[in-house]
Formats: sequence, C-alpha cells, structure tokens
Amino acid sequence: AQTVTQSQPEMSVQEAETVTLSCTYDTSESDYYLFWYKQPPSRQMILVIRQEAYKQQNATENRFSVNFQKAAKSFSLKISDSQLGDAAMYFCAYRSAFGGTSYGKLTFGQGTILTVHP
Amino acid sequence: DAGVIQSPRHEVTEMGQEVTLRCKPISGHDYLFWYRQTMMRGLELLIYFNNNVPIDDSGMPEDRFSAKMPNASFSTLKIQPSEPRDSAVYFCASSLRADQPQHFGDGTRLSIL
Repeated sequence: AQTVTQSQPEMSVQEAETVTLSCTYDTSESDYYLFWYKQPPSRQMILVIRQEAYKQQNATENRFSVNFQKAAKSFSLKISDSQLGDAAMYFCAYRSAFGGTSYGKLTFGQGTILTVHP
Repeated sequence: DAGVIQSPRHEVTEMGQEVTLRCKPISGHDYLFWYRQTMMRGLELLIYFNNNVPIDDSGMPEDRFSAKMPNASFSTLKIQPSEPRDSAVYFCASSLRADQPQHFGDGTRLSIL
C-alpha cells in the first residue's frame, strides 16, 4: 500500500516571501500521479498543482511550483511571493496510474498548516 | 459550471439516529468518491463508484455505513445507527475519468451528540 508523509505539521511565512512544504511518499509503482490540494478555513478542497511521475519536468502553476525527485520519492511545493490568501492547510496526495481497484483512489498526507504573516 | 454539490452543509443529530448525506457530482463525471476527514485520521477514502457501480468499499468503517449511487447524478452515504465517533467532515468528489483530477464538494460537517 502507498503511504504519503508530510513531516511539517505547521509552517509560517512572511507575506511576499517564499516557503516550501515537504512531502515524501512510499510506493513500489513506477507510474503514478502526485497532487497538492489546499484547504482554507472554508474547508473547500482546492487542487493547486498536479505532477505526472513519467514527466521529468516539474509542474508549475503561477506562483506555485513543485520539486519532484522521483528517486528520492519526494514532492515538495514551493509558494513564491506568498499572499495572505495562501493561508490554509495543504495536503499532498498520491494516486496510482495502474488499473485495478486502486485506480483513481487518492491517498493523502496528514497536511501542513500554513500561516502567512503580514 | 456547477461543481460537486453536497447537502446538508452541517448536520447535528443524536446518537442512534439515521444520517443521510447527499452528493450530486459534476455532470458527465464517471467517478464519484466519498471521503471522511477527522483530526486523528486525516482524509480517508471510504468508497468510490465508477459509472454508478461501487468499485472499492474497503474504507467503509463498518456495517453501519452504506453508500448508494442510484443514477449518474446522485449518491448517498448513510449511517445507521450513528455514533459520536462518526463525527467528522464528509467530502464527496468526482472526476471525469480515473486519471483526471478529483473535484471536491464543500463537505458536510457531521456532529453526533
């Protein structure tokens, strides 16, 4: 079974600064997808960014980028020019790319609470 | 486009009562997922459907929990009888295909007294 670990329960950053959230995962599969979701106090789950394991290029979405290290099974999220609206719980998630009953199933990490200071 | 719609947004009920949570997925999405979020266990997948058929229900905690998807636009998660330890936020999500991102509803916060 796959596991996802977020070792930072809480992180904080000054507005306009850069912060990196860590995520590691354990899998024996060669192909999979990785995601970062944001959960603000309103409790919506918002997809931030997605990475396909077979792609070597790191995904970017505006101020959000990832550092995907497949050999190390590491998938960190970098938020540049942090804004007050970035304050939220961030979840890293894994999904298999193979068929079977696990196909489509998301496995989440425990989450990291990000505080943004003005 | 309308997103995933869940109802109710909040539910407070007494132990032993039946609870029914509802979900309307995004139109055209073939996959529907039910998750539970608690402080202790984080986000856990309970069950998911493909084309209205349950594919994996290994996350359903016990027989008190049941889920149905009678058609492509509606699913229910039922707890009977409810217990205080069932208190959590329950999310429904849908995706176009299994390899596409999942879109989440706003969740139902369930409190069992």
